[in-house]
Parts: sequence; structure tokens; C-alpha cells
Amino acid sequence: DAGVIQSPRHEVTEMGQEVTLRCKPISGHNSLFWYRQTMMRGLELLIYFNNNVPIDDSGMPEDRFSAKMPNASFSTLKIQPSEPRDSAVYFCASSFTGVGEKLFFGSGTQLSVL
Amino acid sequence: GESVGLHLPTLSVQEGDNSIINCAYSNSASDYFIWYKQESGKGPQFIIDIRSNMDKRQGQRVTVLLNKTVKHLSLQIAATQPGDSAVYFCAEGYNQGGKLIFGQGTELSVKP
Repeated sequence: DAGVIQSPRHEVTEMGQEVTLRCKPISGHNSLFWYRQTMMRGLELLIYFNNNVPIDDSGMPEDRFSAKMPNASFSTLKIQPSEPRDSAVYFCASSFTGVGEKLFFGSGTQLSVL
Repeated sequence: GESVGLHLPTLSVQEGDNSIINCAYSNSASDYFIWYKQESGKGPQFIIDIRSNMDKRQGQRVTVLLNKTVKHLSLQIAATQPGDSAVYFCAEGYNQGGKLIFGQGTELSVKP
């Protein structure tokens, strides 16, 4: 199993540009989570999906952030327009609900907004 | 194990010693707890978990202790090795299948 796959690993963009982060969860997992990690705020949950349906998006900072899960094997997190304060590492994680809440994390996307 | 400002709490131990990393959780309704290890440049990696109906659970070289009375969780690492150097996060969750809320993390540094 390849684990959770995120792309790109690194993204450098200019303020105002659109950024799209991608995630492929582990096959068979039915829950997907997007987290953001910064030194100031640690690991923050942005949004999570269960069976492709958004369950809790209360952590999404503002309307500039949006996430989609069109099918069980793919999710995107989009920031439009991006701002320097969005610079962080964004992690995607997946789990199979029913056997516990153990999350498997991807390697993250390091986003730098200049 | 709670952080203040920009700096993570740091635990420095000698190789071969036992390490104890502490965590205070916030929600008395939480029924699931989990420890993750994060090495530089990588995503968090599962170490061990425990449900609220247990006080203790052991894995390979690691033990998690749960004290629900004071909402405290600890991770014990036996015979700490240089490869154990990382940031360790505790997380709490409730309602099976729901979200995990992470603590701020503790940085473990192992001196050879």
C-alpha cells in the first residue's frame, strides 16, 4: 500500500494566486481529513469528509478556502486568492471508520505564499 | 506537555534512559486518545492508541497511560534511542469516526 499521497510536496506562489493541493487517500478508507500545521497554531483540522460528504468544515479559515471530494480516491483543497498568512504545511489524512479513529497521514504539502 | 507561544516543550534524555511525555486533554467527553510521532519533514506517524475504558496499553517499547480523573495522558518510551528524536503529539477524539484534536506537541531530543 502506497499510503496517503499528496501533491505537490512543495508549492511556492505569489499572493493572490490560486493554489490547489491534492490528496489520494488509502484505498478502502472512507474518511478524509485536511489539516494545516504552523508553529504558531500547531495541527489544526480544516475539514473532514466521510463517504465523500463534508461532515465538519468549521476549521476552514474563511471563504478563500474550499475543499472537494468528488470520489473516494481523490480530494482537493483550494485557496483562492492565496495570502502570505496561508503559508504552512498542509496534511491530508485518511482513516477507515468503524475500526477506530487512527489516521494515516500523507507527507504534506509545504506551501509558501510570497 | 502544553506549549506557550512559539516554543514547543522540549524533553532531553540520554540514550538508553526511559522517556515520559505528558499531555493534558481538554474534553471530558473524549473517548479515544492517540499518540503520533513526527520527524522533520514528514507527516505524523501513529505510535499507539487507547480507549477511555482502559487505563494502560502497551506496545513495543511504548506504553500509554490514561488518567481520566485529571484528564491526563502520558507516553512512556523505554530505552530511548536516537531514532526516537522527534516531536510527539497527543490527540483526542470522540464519537467513533469523528475528528481528532491535536495537542501542541513535545519535542524529544535524545543525546547519544
